[in-house]
Amino acid sequence: EVQLVQSGAEVKKPGESLRISCKASGYTFTRYWIAWVRQMPGKGLEWMGIIDPIDSDTRYSPSFQGQVIISADESSNTAYLQWSGLRASDTAMYYCARHVYDTSNFDFWGQGTLVTVSS
Amino acid sequence: SYELTQAPSVSVSPGQSASITCSGDKLGDKYVSWYQQKPGQSPVVLIYQSTRRPSGIPQRFSGSKSGNTATLTISGTQAMDEADYYCQAWDSNTAVFGGGTKLTVL
Repeated sequence: EVQLVQSGAEVKKPGESLRISCKASGYTFTRYWIAWVRQMPGKGLEWMGIIDPIDSDTRYSPSFQGQVIISADESSNTAYLQWSGLRASDTAMYYCARHVYDTSNFDFWGQGTLVTVSS
Repeated sequence: SYELTQAPSVSVSPGQSASITCSGDKLGDKYVSWYQQKPGQSPVVLIYQSTRRPSGIPQRFSGSKSGNTATLTISGTQAMDEADYYCQAWDSNTAVFGGGTKLTVL
């Protein structure tokens, strides 16, 4: 069974660093890209970027380039999303999703990680 | 940057058909996926490659495309279909989601 299990909710202060994770199981991790998607409170889905776990080739949405870093660890089947200086505007639910290249869609999603940034 | 446009809301009576549209520049040349998101849940793919339905998705969900507009049709809408629906396409190696359509079944 394919699963993407994300790390738990986080409460952080502005300026703090954070890394959240997405652990994949039930399939060969290196055969599918992993994307990160932001959903701010009451708003829609925003694609942040995507990583190829086999070589860490990473692409970012222009809106998020330079704001976050996406990485992956093949040895632990885990993808990561990290910030070096959080802002209140980073408060959101963050989802990881598996991308199927051949059919061009996101077929499995993590349960989401809620990040709250508040002083 | 590329944009996909969806109506913010659509209402439908139970048992009727609901159509949710998504428009974008040169969308006719791209594959479109559709996702359903219920409150407090992660999105679920309903349609991929514009018209194909993953296994396990009810047949009442169908996708089509005409020109630069893609349409998700829900036939025989049920109360359980009340949710937010998002279209998605790729442009210049970037995935783009539409703004979402809230479907109300009343």
